[in-house]
Amino acid sequence: DAKTTQPNSMESNEEEPVHLPCNHSTISGTDYIHWYRQLPSQGPEYVIHGLTSNVNNRMASLAIAEDRKSSTLILHRATLRDAAVYYCILRESKNNDMRFGAGTRLTVKP
Amino acid sequence: NAGVTQTPKFQVLKTGQSMTLQCAQDMNHNSMYWYRQDPGMGLRLIYYSASEGTTDKGEVPNGYNVSRLNKREFSLRLESAAPSQTSVYFCASSYSTPTNEKLFFGSGTQLSVL
Repeated sequence: DAKTTQPNSMESNEEEPVHLPCNHSTISGTDYIHWYRQLPSQGPEYVIHGLTSNVNNRMASLAIAEDRKSSTLILHRATLRDAAVYYCILRESKNNDMRFGAGTRLTVKP
Repeated sequence: NAGVTQTPKFQVLKTGQSMTLQCAQDMNHNSMYWYRQDPGMGLRLIYYSASEGTTDKGEVPNGYNVSRLNKREFSLRLESAAPSQTSVYFCASSYSTPTNEKLFFGSGTQLSVL
């Protein structure tokens, strides 16, 4: 099964950009890359997803490497409310399930 | 717009007791999921249902059963609860198309098994 590797934790200063990396070296050509985040004491929420091209939305940007073996979630200006666990997930074309790993715990310092 | 609703929010069981966690969504989604999250850990998939009438095992299905009652509702049953099943349980739903697998989560059920 395709899997992702993320750092356990990262720190950022408020109002600075944050780059959260994810490795997925066994990704297949039809697997989508998804990012979710989980704020304290809440269920996860969708952030962004993509296949090959970089993607932007109101929450974040997703930069996908040309070989698709890695991706980076970019928060352009971190706020204290962005402190959360961020999950990088592969939506495998062969399965209908979505499996979360341990994620990256982002701490934002004022 | 309620989204994904889970009941109950909290539950305490004794070892060996049974219970059913309820989940309903009002977004006309095809797929529904049950996850568990142990303290300090990521989410692990228990079961999912790609469409009404189908269910499939996830990573940790042992000790659980599910029912996709209709398109809206997906329940999770613990037949004989064990302390190892103490966890927070999340239900989720999605449209489940290749280009749109955006999951919407409920607020969770905190279950303690003594």
